[in-house]
Amino acid sequence: GAVVSQHPSWVICKSGTSVKIECRSLDFQATTMFWYRQFPKQSLMLMATSNEGSKATYEQGVEKDKFLINHASLTLSTLTVTSAHPEDSSFYICSASHRGQGQPQHFGDGTRLSIL
Amino acid sequence: DQQVKQNSPSLSVQEGRISILNCDYTNSMFDYFLWYKKYPAEGPTFLISISSIKDKNEDGRFTVFLNKSAKHLSLHIVPSQPGDSAVYFCAAGVYGNKLVFGAGTILRVKS
Repeated sequence: GAVVSQHPSWVICKSGTSVKIECRSLDFQATTMFWYRQFPKQSLMLMATSNEGSKATYEQGVEKDKFLINHASLTLSTLTVTSAHPEDSSFYICSASHRGQGQPQHFGDGTRLSIL
Repeated sequence: DQQVKQNSPSLSVQEGRISILNCDYTNSMFDYFLWYKKYPAEGPTFLISISSIKDKNEDGRFTVFLNKSAKHLSLHIVPSQPGDSAVYFCAAGVYGNKLVFGAGTILRVKS
């Protein structure tokens, strides 16, 4: 099946630093990538939708200046958490889909972000 | 506003028996429904999907049923195996657009 790689899988850093998370589709062209956030025992909450070559569409309540998304190629999207604070600690997960193939979305293994 | 609800946080089933996971949705515009399976420390894995033009889709041991009038779908796993123990997420959306996920149901299959 389709493979999506997410890196890093675990990040621990100090408050105030910026953290970049990469999401790569390894065996298909991902015209659309999605970034989710998951809190313990809760559902996946969509943060933003990213189409290759265009600006990301953010969900209501998600600060676009806080969570910078870049989708510069058909195989790579990045999420940068800028000036991270402890409340940004969470599980971030990306997914990718190819418009021509429609859904389903294929997910990476997620990134556990811990801000001290 | 939870558009997709999985009201059972957990389910325990004996190996070999049927597992039935349920999901309700509120948005009548949704026309595409999916089930994902998730193991700890891994991303969700796509299991099976169904479009609103169908009421049943089967793939091996997995069958998804859709009741549009009740805005309800279910995933049947027969026979259940210990390796099926995981968190199952229901997702719904308009085809080609973003998905809305339920909170998940933890399935435990006892041997």
